[in-house]
Amino acid sequence: EDQVTQSPEALRLQEGESSSLNCSYTVSGLRGLFWYRQDPGKGPEFLFTLYSAGEEKEKERLKATLTKKESFLHITAPKPEDSATYLCAVRPTQGGSEKLVFGKGTKLTVNP
Amino acid sequence: NAGVTQTPKFRILKIGQSMTLQCTQDMNHNYMYWYRQDPGMGLKLIYYSVGAGITDKGEVPNGYNVSRSTTEDFPLRLELAAPSQTSVYFCASSYPTSGKHTDTQYFGPGTRLTVL
Repeated sequence: EDQVTQSPEALRLQEGESSSLNCSYTVSGLRGLFWYRQDPGKGPEFLFTLYSAGEEKEKERLKATLTKKESFLHITAPKPEDSATYLCAVRPTQGGSEKLVFGKGTKLTVNP
Repeated sequence: NAGVTQTPKFRILKIGQSMTLQCTQDMNHNYMYWYRQDPGMGLKLIYYSVGAGITDKGEVPNGYNVSRSTTEDFPLRLELAAPSQTSVYFCASSYPTSGKHTDTQYFGPGTRLTVL
């Protein structure tokens, strides 16, 4: 069974304190791994897609990396506006575009 | 582009009532999806559509119905509301790709539904 596990469930950081969020996955084959940001009361907002082990993508203070079993979302010198829930999702090779398996998310709070 | 829009934002229903959640996208995406998000749980796919006139069940379709008469609209119907359908509902859309890259789903702002 395809599974996505995110850790930690919640993370509190001080402004400027860098850290990483983890997304571990179990799929028969990976077509793509997605990171989304979700603010309270809003829909998920797309951040990154990663396709193969070793791939990295960056956007402002965020950098996503991918290995064969997990992905990390590194947050460098975070600011309070980075506070949100970060969702990870994988698209297995088995199944069409509808097959997107989501993790439960990591709730990040950045204190000023 | 407005992207994916959903109405209403909030709704309270009584057990047994029915309602339709509206979803519209202006990105000319072929694929559209309905998810529900329960507290502490990952998003679960209810129904999806790969084009006008074509719909299919997702992971949790019981108690819901959909239709897709146009590319832009994908309404979700609840016929006999139950407390277990209390959730936040998200509509999403994507454009099919081929080759190495896979399509990205873009989400609407959600509808928060409470069934009492």
